[in-house]
Amino acid sequence: ETGVTQTPRHLVMGMTNKKSLKCEQHLGHNAMYWYKQSAKKPLELMFVYSLEERVENNSVPSRFSPECPNSSHLFLHLHTLQPEDSALYLCASSESGGRKTQYFGPGTRLLVL
Amino acid sequence: AQKVTQAQTEISVVEKEDVTLDCVYETRDTTYYLFWYKQPPSGELVFLIRRNSFDEQNEISGRYSWNFQKSTSSFNFTITASQVVDSAVYFCALSEANSGGGADGLTFGKGTHLIIQP
Repeated sequence: ETGVTQTPRHLVMGMTNKKSLKCEQHLGHNAMYWYKQSAKKPLELMFVYSLEERVENNSVPSRFSPECPNSSHLFLHLHTLQPEDSALYLCASSESGGRKTQYFGPGTRLLVL
Repeated sequence: AQKVTQAQTEISVVEKEDVTLDCVYETRDTTYYLFWYKQPPSGELVFLIRRNSFDEQNEISGRYSWNFQKSTSSFNFTITASQVVDSAVYFCALSEANSGGGADGLTFGKGTHLIIQP
C-alpha cells in the first residue's frame, strides 16, 4: 500500500448505528487530518492531530469522535448521526511543523438514513 | 479570518483550449502558503502545487502554470492546451501561520468544476 488509504470507501448507516472510519498513511508523516466535504460546500476541517495529539477541533459535534493511536493511523468514530452528516469524509497526512503539504486519501462516502 | 474565493463554479471548454481558474484569498498573516488540488471523479484530492507568500515567481510545470500576485491576493491556475483528462474539480487552499500545535488545517475555496469537451 502506498500513500493514504481509507476504509470503507462507502458506508450506509442508520441514525442509531455506531460505525468507525479508518485512515492509514504510508508516507512517514506525523500529522493527520479529517475533513468533511458536503455537496455545494467547501471542504471543512474537522480535526487535526500532530504527533498523536489532537491540536485542533473545529467545533465538531460530539457525535464525531476521533482517535489517533499512532502516527500512521487515524479513526473517526460515528454514533447517532443525522442525515445532514451524509458527506464525503477525507483523511489527509503531512509532516508536522505547520503549513506542510497535505496528501489526501480517496475518502469514505457516508450516507446516513 | 482567512477565506478563499473561487468565483467560477463551473467552466466548460473544448479540448486544446487554454483555461484559467481564478483564486482570490484573504488573510491577515504576512506568512502563509497557497495550494492547488485536483479532485477527479474518484474523489481523492491530488496535490498540484504549494507556494509560499514570499515567492511571487510564476511557476510552470508542463501544461500547468500558476500566477501569484500578492498585490491582488490572487493565485490563478492556467492549463494550456487542455485535455479531456483535465476534467475535474480544482480547489485552491490557504494555510496560515502555525497554530502552535504543530500542524495547520487548510482553508479551501468551493472549487471550480472544469469540463473539457472532446
